[in-house]
Order: sequence, then structure tokens, then C-alpha cells
Amino acid sequence: EVQLVESGGVVVQRGGSLRLSCAASGFTFDDFSMHWVRQVPGKGLEWVSFITCDSGRRDYADSVKGRFTISRDNSEDSLNLQMNSLTPEDTAFYYCVKGDSCGYYNYFESWGQGTLVTVSP
Amino acid sequence: SYVLTQPPSVSVAPGKTARITCGGNNIGSRSVHWYQQKPGQAPVLVVNDDSDRPSGIPERFSGFTSRNSATLTISRVEAGDEADYYCQVWDSLVVFGGGTKLTVL
Repeated sequence: EVQLVESGGVVVQRGGSLRLSCAASGFTFDDFSMHWVRQVPGKGLEWVSFITCDSGRRDYADSVKGRFTISRDNSEDSLNLQMNSLTPEDTAFYYCVKGDSCGYYNYFESWGQGTLVTVSP
Repeated sequence: SYVLTQPPSVSVAPGKTARITCGGNNIGSRSVHWYQQKPGQAPVLVVNDDSDRPSGIPERFSGFTSRNSATLTISRVEAGDEADYYCQVWDSLVVFGGGTKLTVL
């Protein structure tokens, strides 16, 4: 069974930094692209970032480009999101999501339960 | 940037058929994926690649994509189908629709 467990969500002040992690299990981690998707409570889904299985390509939504950095450790089956220069607009649940293949043009096969990041003004 | 348009809400009586649309310019040239999100839960994939159903998803869920619109159809709607539904495609990057709240009357 695929399991994705996010951690690292806390309350942080505007301008601060935070690192989210996702521990993956139940599948061959280095065979799949991974994504972060966020959701402001009560609002819709917003894709944030993805990384291919071999870390060869990483991409970001315009709203986070230059501030967030995605990375993965295939030896540890883990996905990370380094978030800098946080603003209240970054307040959201952050989901770790498994793609359906190694490359891009994925659909999202499995989702973690999410971790809440709150940025205070 | 590419935009996907969904109706904010759809209501349907139990046992009837719900249709949730997702509009986008020439969406028929893209693969459309659909997700269900129940309150307090993470999204779940219900249809991928326009019309494929992942393992464990009831046959009551089906998808169809035409030139400028994709439709998620839920047949014989049950109370447990009440949820938010999102369509998703790739443009240069990932695009989600704004979501549709399905209410079962």
C-alpha cells in the first residue's frame, strides 16, 4: 500500500523559512515523479512543484518560483520542499503527491494527508 | 496561461446522474484527470486520461472529453458521492480547475 506522510508544517512568521518533508513507502520511490500541491483551507487545489524520478527536471508554479526548492533523496525514499521568504499567501495545506510515471505529464495517483503551513502577518 | 472552468456547484437527487463539466480551449487535445475530495480528506483520483478508472473506483464514475469540454459523469448517485471534484490537465505545467461541489439532495 502506498503511503505518503508529510511533516514539517508549523506556524511561521512572514519572511521566514520552512522545510517540509514527505516519507514515502509501499512503492519503488525512484521510479516515480513526485509533486507538491497546496490548498488554502476551504479553497481549491494549487499545484506547487514537481521533480522527476531522477531529479533531472524540477519545475515550480510562478507563485513560488525563486522562493521554494524541491528535492528528493532516493536512498531515503523522501521528498522535500524548502520554502523561503514566506508570506501569508503561502498559508495552506501542503500535499505530497505521487505521479504515475518517472517523467512529467503525470496524473496524481496517490496523495498524502497533508501538512498545514501557517504564515502569520 | 491555460484556464479550466468548472461550475461551482452541481446538485443531484440520490439515484440520479450527475454531470460535472470542465471547459478549456481545445481541451480535447489534452489528457484530463479527475479527483474527488471529501471534507477533511485528501483528494483521490477517480478518472485518469479522460476515461480510465483506477482500481477500486466504482463503474458509476466515467469520463468523456470532447473538443472543448470534459465531463465527469456519476451514475446512480449515492450520498457518499457528495464531495468536491477537480479536473486537471498539463499545459506547460499542471493546471487544476476551480472545483465543483457536488451536493446530493
